[in-house]
Amino acid sequence: EAGVAQSPRYKIIEKRQSVAFWCNPISGHATLYWYQQILGQGPKLLIQFQNNGVVDDSQLPKDRFSAERLKGVDSTLKIQPAKLEDSAVYLCASSFIREDTEAFFGQGTRLTVV
Amino acid sequence: GQNIDQPTEMTATEGAIVQINCTYQTSGFNGLFWYQQHAGEAPTFLSYNVLDGLEEKGRFSSFLSRSKGYSYLLLKELQMKDSASYLCAVRDIVSGNTPLVFGKGTRLSVIA
Repeated sequence: EAGVAQSPRYKIIEKRQSVAFWCNPISGHATLYWYQQILGQGPKLLIQFQNNGVVDDSQLPKDRFSAERLKGVDSTLKIQPAKLEDSAVYLCASSFIREDTEAFFGQGTRLTVV
Repeated sequence: GQNIDQPTEMTATEGAIVQINCTYQTSGFNGLFWYQQHAGEAPTFLSYNVLDGLEEKGRFSSFLSRSKGYSYLLLKELQMKDSASYLCAVRDIVSGNTPLVFGKGTRLSVIA
């Protein structure tokens, strides 16, 4: 079974530039999550989708971050403009809708803002 | 709001037993997950508890007390490869939705 696919794996940008990350969840998984993980910390939930609707985006900095999940499958997360403190690993995860099922994570995109 | 607390770091000896605690305060509760994350890698699922009690899975066990907002992960017969971060995650209930929220993680070092 194919896992959660993310691209790119690594990205280096200058502050104030924009960047986009892409995620393809496991087939059949209706729930998709984007997490930000700063070095040495746990993953912080940015946004959670169920199909193409938003379940939770309370911690998404909406002045600079946006995410969409068109057609309820692939998702993109965008940062515009980037700040130094956005340097982190951005993890995408997916799961079945049932709440007792675990989330499966992709390898993440390591973003460095210089 | 959500508050999930774990110790930042722990050290244990190869072959020993270690218990990693997690306390949580969330709006609602619809299950607790434990994940393992090796440095530079993605988190991988270890266990799930939604009812009080102990769930055993090989060398790993997880316990939940909903009334106390408390869980622990027990690792037996520690091996060097168990050196990793262990993440506690709670499925909260907020306005009818169920976001999956993580603690900051506990970095476990297994020494010879």
